[in-house]
Amino acid sequence: AQSVTQLDSQVPVFEEAPVELRCNYSSSVSVYLFWYVQYPNQGLQLLLKYLSGSTLVKGINGFEAEFNKSQTSFHLRKPSVHISDTAEYFCAVSGAGSYQLTFGKGTKLSVIP
Amino acid sequence: DAGITQSPRHKVTETGTPVTLRCHQTENHRYMYWYRQDPGHGLRLIHYSYGVKDTDKGEVSDGYSVSRSKTEDFLLTLESATSSQTSVYFCAISAWTGEAFFGQGTRLTVV
Repeated sequence: AQSVTQLDSQVPVFEEAPVELRCNYSSSVSVYLFWYVQYPNQGLQLLLKYLSGSTLVKGINGFEAEFNKSQTSFHLRKPSVHISDTAEYFCAVSGAGSYQLTFGKGTKLSVIP
Repeated sequence: DAGITQSPRHKVTETGTPVTLRCHQTENHRYMYWYRQDPGHGLRLIHYSYGVKDTDKGEVSDGYSVSRSKTEDFLLTLESATSSQTSVYFCAISAWTGEAFFGQGTRLTVV
């Protein structure tokens, strides 16, 4: 079985400040990890993914995430946020040999002008 | 954008009636998923399919059934709708068991 925990349900941050959204996972097999973003009244869009290789992955809109196997974490970061980054962010995990893509409960990022 | 169409986009139905939501893809992807999204719960997997006529239950499958008779279509049926099934339903497709592409969602209200 696999699961995802997003440690913060809401994160307020001032514009141009850095942000980190935290994600921890559990799985008994090797994993693939993802971050998705959802803007109001829309579906989810892939931000970035970790499949293998370099533990630091870069995505769209200036976001990046680091895979830490020993801490079973995949935290999302951005050095300077913009108003347009206000959205809900979901961490997801897929395990090798599993058909399922499991999501966390989401973190709402609010960027304050 | 991935070719995924959900229909209807909005629906209001009465308690006890059956409801069918449709997901149609033009990408020929093998895997298809139905999720529901509720405040505080994120996305929870209802059912998924790994091929034509190959489906399995997800985390919250009670009260739902699915069918996939063609690669491009994945139907979700609420056998007898209840108020607890008021939610936003998302269909997703994937070429492998990982990166998924999502539809725009169906907002279902059961009164």
